[in-house]
Amino acid sequence: QVQVVESGGHLAKPGGSLRLSCEMSGLTFSAYYMSWIRQAPGKGLEWLSYIRTSHSDTNYADSVKGRFTISRDDANNALYLQMNSLTVEDTAVYFCARGGFRIEVAGQFSMWGQGIAVTVSS
Amino acid sequence: DIVLTQSPGTLSLSPGERATLSCRTSQFVSVRFVAWYQQKPGQSPRLLIYGATNRATGIPDRFSGSGSGTDFTLTIDKVEPEDFAVYYCQQHGSSPWTFGQGTKVEFK
Repeated sequence: QVQVVESGGHLAKPGGSLRLSCEMSGLTFSAYYMSWIRQAPGKGLEWLSYIRTSHSDTNYADSVKGRFTISRDDANNALYLQMNSLTVEDTAVYFCARGGFRIEVAGQFSMWGQGIAVTVSS
Repeated sequence: DIVLTQSPGTLSLSPGERATLSCRTSQFVSVRFVAWYQQKPGQSPRLLIYGATNRATGIPDRFSGSGSGTDFTLTIDKVEPEDFAVYYCQQHGSSPWTFGQGTKVEFK
């Protein structure tokens, strides 16, 4: 049975930083592309970033490029999102999501974390 | 960026009725790269359809996807009470991967 545990959210001030974590167990974590996706209050879904299985490739949405960094630790089945220079527009629920094995299905999200609430406020 | 426009914004239905949800993309998207998700309040999204027409594991056959090019459709044949939710289409063929704004299927 696959289990997903996200942690690290909560409250930050504008200009501050937070680090989100997502741990997946019960699967061959290293084989999958992983992404972060967020949902602002009452809004739709926004893909933010993916990381490739071999760590050699990452991609970011323009809204977070240069401020957020995705990384993974395959030995510990963990995905991370380092968020710097936070603004109030970053307030959202952040989901980790599992994609497929290949780039063609990397953005097909068959498994999601429960979501972490991040609030950026002074 | 490829913009996905979903219609209608809200669909009011009674159980047993058919739901037809539309997703129009601003550019051509191969069927391989179109997915649909269901999200209920307070929950994470759930993959329903991938490759425009393929049901994900465990998804009932009352859900079906169709379309090509720039026009895609999710159909729920005979809506069940548990189907009242928000539905999102998504393209993952061109970066940035993008979602539609969602269609809410609500109880009439």
